[in-house]
Amino acid sequence: DAKTTQPNSMESNEEEPVHLPCNHSTISGTDYIHWYRQLPSQGPEYVIHGLTSNVNNRMASLAIAEDRKSSTLILHRATLRDAAVYYCILRDTRGTGTASKLTFGTGTRLQVTL
Amino acid sequence: NAGVTQTPKFQVLKTGQSMTLQCAQDMNHNSMYWYRQDPGMGLRLIYYSASEGTTDKGEVPNGYNVSRLNKREFSLRLESAAPSQTSVYFCASSGADSYRSYNSPLHFGNGTRLTVT
Repeated sequence: DAKTTQPNSMESNEEEPVHLPCNHSTISGTDYIHWYRQLPSQGPEYVIHGLTSNVNNRMASLAIAEDRKSSTLILHRATLRDAAVYYCILRDTRGTGTASKLTFGTGTRLQVTL
Repeated sequence: NAGVTQTPKFQVLKTGQSMTLQCAQDMNHNSMYWYRQDPGMGLRLIYYSASEGTTDKGEVPNGYNVSRLNKREFSLRLESAAPSQTSVYFCASSGADSYRSYNSPLHFGNGTRLTVT
């Protein structure tokens, strides 16, 4: 399985943008880039995913490098509720009709301060 | 709409005891998963079920069994608990249609915190 590399931790001030990087130099053409986050004492929560083009949704934006070897999750205005562990995951989508598993790394712990 | 419901929320077992962790989803998802998370680590897949009636091993299946009882329910059983199985267990589900489920987001429950003494 292709692996991802993320910083262990990052800090941000509230109401400022946050850019969470992820390196995935061995990504294959069939891998989608998924981001999840895990708030304290909760299960992981889906944030966003993409293949080649940048993606936006109500929670965040995903910027994908042209060579797809890295990506950045962008939180436009961090709030205290965004303090969580953020996981960047490559999801292999080869084949159809099968459960495509997620392999979690240790993620980036985002601390948001006033 | 409850999403993914796990019971119990907390459990303490003695070494050698058995128990079943229950998971149910109300989103009509085909795929269901069991993960465990140890302190300071990411989640590791124990077992998964691509559809009703099928189950497959994940990364760390030893010491566990699973049952996909029906489309809604996926249970995880520890036959003889060991201290190494102390962990937080998460159930998840994904996909409303098996042919598109490969890229559907996973929806997680809030976990069962298990301690084996």
